[in-house]
Amino acid sequence: KNQVEQSPQSLIILEGKNCTLQCNYTVSPFSNLRWYKQDTGRGPVSLTIMTFSENTKSNGRYTATLDADTKQSSLHITASQLSDSASYICVVSGRNQAGTALIFGKGTTLSVSS
Amino acid sequence: DGGITQSPKYLFRKEGQNVTLSCEQNLNHDAMYWYRQDPGQGLRLIYYSQIVNDFQKGDIAEGYSVSREKKESFPLTVTSAQKNPTAFYLCASSILRQHNEQFFGPGTRLTVL
Repeated sequence: KNQVEQSPQSLIILEGKNCTLQCNYTVSPFSNLRWYKQDTGRGPVSLTIMTFSENTKSNGRYTATLDADTKQSSLHITASQLSDSASYICVVSGRNQAGTALIFGKGTTLSVSS
Repeated sequence: DGGITQSPKYLFRKEGQNVTLSCEQNLNHDAMYWYRQDPGQGLRLIYYSQIVNDFQKGDIAEGYSVSREKKESFPLTVTSAQKNPTAFYLCASSILRQHNEQFFGPGTRLTVL
């Protein structure tokens, strides 16, 4: 069964600290993996998209890694800011009987405090 | 200013009433999607459409209906047959359904009173 598991479920850190969010998936065949940031009451916004051959991709203070062998991805946030408080969603693109399917993780809720 | 818009932001409905959520995009995207988001759960696909006048059921289509009369518009109707309609509804669009990034609207929060 295609699944995307994210950990931790929630996280609280102090402003200025770094943190790493995890995403494990069992989607097969794998196409790509994306990380979205969703502010409370808003729609998700894409941070990065990674294909099978990419190991690392950065977007400002956000760095995503992908290990296609172990089917794991991480999102590292450097020097966190209060505005980083949000839900971070890992989405894996695979295939089901109907064609391409997006499998969404439940998200990690990050709270950055001053 | 290109983007995808949803209206209204908040919607209240009495039990037994149908309600329609609006989704409009000016990104010239072919594909559009409707998702439902509940606390502690991942997004679940309700319906999607790849071209005008064609749409497909997603994982949780029961109690919902859609139409795609124009490329820019993909309204979702929550019918009285939907047993638990209170949720956050997200509309998205993309260039193609496969291998492309989906752009999300700001969402509509529906509450059934």
